[in-house]
Amino acid sequence: AQSVTQPDIHITVSEGASLELRCNYSYGATPYLFWYVQSPGQGLQLLLKYFSGDTLVQGIKGFEAEFKRSQSSFNLRKPSVHWSDAAEYFCAVGGLGNTDKLIFGTGTRLQVFP
Amino acid sequence: NAGVMQNPRHLVRRRGQEARLRCSPMKGHSHVYWYRQLPEEGLKFMVYLQKENIIDESGMPKERFSAEFPKEGPSILRIQQVVRGDSAAYFCASSPVSYNEQFFGPGTRLTVL
Repeated sequence: AQSVTQPDIHITVSEGASLELRCNYSYGATPYLFWYVQSPGQGLQLLLKYFSGDTLVQGIKGFEAEFKRSQSSFNLRKPSVHWSDAAEYFCAVGGLGNTDKLIFGTGTRLQVFP
Repeated sequence: NAGVMQNPRHLVRRRGQEARLRCSPMKGHSHVYWYRQLPEEGLKFMVYLQKENIIDESGMPKERFSAEFPKEGPSILRIQQVVRGDSAAYFCASSPVSYNEQFFGPGTRLTVL
């Protein structure tokens, strides 16, 4: 069955430090890949997406992600974290053959210290 | 262009009552998806609808849950005879076409007493 793994449940970084959130998926073909951010009590906002083409994807708020087929990974990165980046981050996969649903990872909670 | 609208934002029900959650997709979007987020968990797919049709309900519990997306009006997720385990945040998403980005609403947080 298809699955998405976010191995880091909780990450704490200092403001200005670099960030990498890990995401691995299990699927036979290359799925569509997404990163969403959720602030407390809010809905989900799309940070970036990968459908095909260039494997390094630029998103909003200074985030980027790199698709690595050989590792079945789609890690999210940001060179310098801001306090406002504190939130829950979800990786998701879609385009899974005959279904249009998204499968989400369990999320990584990011805490930013000043 | 207004985003995906969900109402109510918060809903409290007692065990055994019915809960009705509404979702108005973005203008021009005919694809609607419902997801459930249990506390401290990621989102789990429930159902995918197009106008007047259920396309994929593989994530929907077999009993007490139903969904519709009529020709006119919002999509409705209905939970009959709610139980404490139904307490969760329910998110709706919409898309203009299939296999594309899904735009999420703010969610309805259901609390069952």
